[in-house]
Amino acid sequence: GENVEQHPSTLSVQEGDSAVIKCTYSDSASNYFPWYKQELGKRPQLIIDIRSNVGEKKDQRIAVTLNKTAKHFSLHITETQPEDSAVYFCAGTGSARQLTFGSGTQLTVLP
Amino acid sequence: EADIYQTPRYLVIGTGKKITLECSQTMGHDKMYWYQQDPGMELHLIHYSYGVNSTEKGDLSSESTVSRIRTEHFPLTLESARPSHTSQYLCASSPGPATGLFFGSGTQLSVL
Repeated sequence: GENVEQHPSTLSVQEGDSAVIKCTYSDSASNYFPWYKQELGKRPQLIIDIRSNVGEKKDQRIAVTLNKTAKHFSLHITETQPEDSAVYFCAGTGSARQLTFGSGTQLTVLP
Repeated sequence: EADIYQTPRYLVIGTGKKITLECSQTMGHDKMYWYQQDPGMELHLIHYSYGVNSTEKGDLSSESTVSRIRTEHFPLTLESARPSHTSQYLCASSPGPATGLFFGSGTQLSVL
């Protein structure tokens, strides 16, 4: 089945700086890669996703890049703000078409 | 408003009790899921369903069961609760394969 590895597990940045979270996947059949943000005590929420026929997708301060050859994808957050502080999860579909989640990254934006 | 609803929000029970966690969605989605998650940690798939009368086991299914008699309803039952079941249980739905999941607010279960 699919295996998704996520790094780093914790990340601290100064407000206004950029943050990058990286994930690798194992199943070359994976074709959909969403990112979720989970604030403390709240449900995970989809913030951006990318499909395997696209290399990059942007939504305001958030962007995701995908390298199918290397089997890795990354979340980029620019001009970070305190409200960006949360746990971020990447995920990928495998040949079973079920989402496998990474282990999460705790992002802290320091004022 | 279309959403996915879970009840109860919090539940404290004794060891050995049988419990059912409720999940209903008004999103009109065919696929539904149950995940177990400790605070801020990885999400583990327990069960999922492609539609009515369809249920499949995930990674942590051995001590629970689900049913899908109606499209909008996907309850999770623990036959005999144990302290190791203490965790947050998240229900989710999606419109189809290889699409994003929409999560409910979760049930925080504590087994004493």
